[in-house]
Amino acid sequence: DTAVSQTPKYLVTQMGNDKSIKCEQNLGHDTMYWYKQDSKKFLKIMFSYNNKELIINETVPNRFSPKSPDKAHLNLHINSLELGDSAVYFCASSQVPGHNNQPQHFGDGTRLSIL
Amino acid sequence: DQQVKQNSPSLSVQEGRISILNCDYTNSMFDYFLWYKKYPAEGPTFLISISSIKDKNEDGRFTVFLNKSAKHLSLHIVPSQPGDSAVYFCAAAPWGAQKLVFGQGTRLTINP
Repeated sequence: DTAVSQTPKYLVTQMGNDKSIKCEQNLGHDTMYWYKQDSKKFLKIMFSYNNKELIINETVPNRFSPKSPDKAHLNLHINSLELGDSAVYFCASSQVPGHNNQPQHFGDGTRLSIL
Repeated sequence: DQQVKQNSPSLSVQEGRISILNCDYTNSMFDYFLWYKKYPAEGPTFLISISSIKDKNEDGRFTVFLNKSAKHLSLHIVPSQPGDSAVYFCAAAPWGAQKLVFGQGTRLTINP
């Protein structure tokens, strides 16, 4: 009964390949996010979707394309993988911030390693 | 430009004593602050939050203090327990905004 689940947990692949990471939340949240944790351990937001609509799109190469088939799912597709894409990618979800801010709940991460 | 900074990469505390983790921020638009705890190979887990209208929020052994004039917040854990050993991230956002900005984390080790 994991609240935010992402698959796979580990992904090892060759440079130039295309790969996808899936995320699902069963919390009934309207908003989902993708974060990247780089080698320096900084967690930085990449994208945010609110009810399948893109809300936040940080300065991320267009090789990264998020897709939200419904509000419970936010997948991340990465084309032409590069060495610098090696990182841990975290999915998160939250209620829509309104009068009361709501914390974001995170999945356990996908460690992507590019050979 | 790092808007949220945790200047201590690590902290070691005796079991039963108080752990104090610090965080500084530069963006005066930040109104909502959170602390997350992270174990290895797991995602960050929400711990406690505070809005800028308060200067203190308490939840069991965890208390967060906010000093808006100094743009500083701290997390106090008392008494510290071995299970508190983890990496703690401070995060901030403008009120109502979805974009959290994280610090780089402080690794807390509780020694028996």
